[in-house]
Amino acid sequence: DAEITQSPRHKITETGRQVTLACHQTWNHNNMFWYRQDLGHGLRLIHYSYGVQDTNKGEVSDGYSVSRSNTEDLPLTLESAASSQTSVYFCASSVSRSTDTQYFGPGTRLTVL
Amino acid sequence: AQKITQTQPGMFVQEKEAVTLDCTYDTSDPSYGLFWYKQPSSGEMIFLIYQGSYDQQNATEGRYSLNFQKARKSANLVISASQLGDSAMYFCAMRGFSSNTGKLIFGQGTTLQVKP
Repeated sequence: DAEITQSPRHKITETGRQVTLACHQTWNHNNMFWYRQDLGHGLRLIHYSYGVQDTNKGEVSDGYSVSRSNTEDLPLTLESAASSQTSVYFCASSVSRSTDTQYFGPGTRLTVL
Repeated sequence: AQKITQTQPGMFVQEKEAVTLDCTYDTSDPSYGLFWYKQPSSGEMIFLIYQGSYDQQNATEGRYSLNFQKARKSANLVISASQLGDSAMYFCAMRGFSSNTGKLIFGQGTTLQVKP
């Protein structure tokens, strides 16, 4: 069955380290999204991509980067992890930009000490 | 700017009863979609139901229905015959279509607890 996976599911790192969170989908969806979930803020968009070589900033993109070298993967990189980036990270994908539903991965819980 | 407001941080409902989770939205986009997601304690985000702004009828999916009142800008989720497994956090979300960005804007969520 087609699915969207994230790895690792849990990660503890130290301030200043570079961290990469993986997202892989087998639906062949063009659109992929990264969100972070924090208490009191709901889910907020970090970065998104409409296809290979396309990336765009969301509302909370500072300190994060993404790259899209193929349809299936959109890795999220924290260039220099900060304690404020302790959060749960969700990857999502959809067929189109408009009416189609976004389907979410299981999430990655990241702790920055 | 687009905004989703969920005013109920927590709700309780008795098993087998119906419950309504409130969601109001604000957008200047003439065409948009409204979504509800469920997040159980295990953490995954599960899509429940979708309503398009031009849909003539309220959306239904099994025990879930969306009470869409466009003039009031509300999109409340109704869960009929609540089950213990419905205990979770529920998020309302919106996407404007005119900008064609595909971005979802989420509310802060409502925690629902179903009592046996």
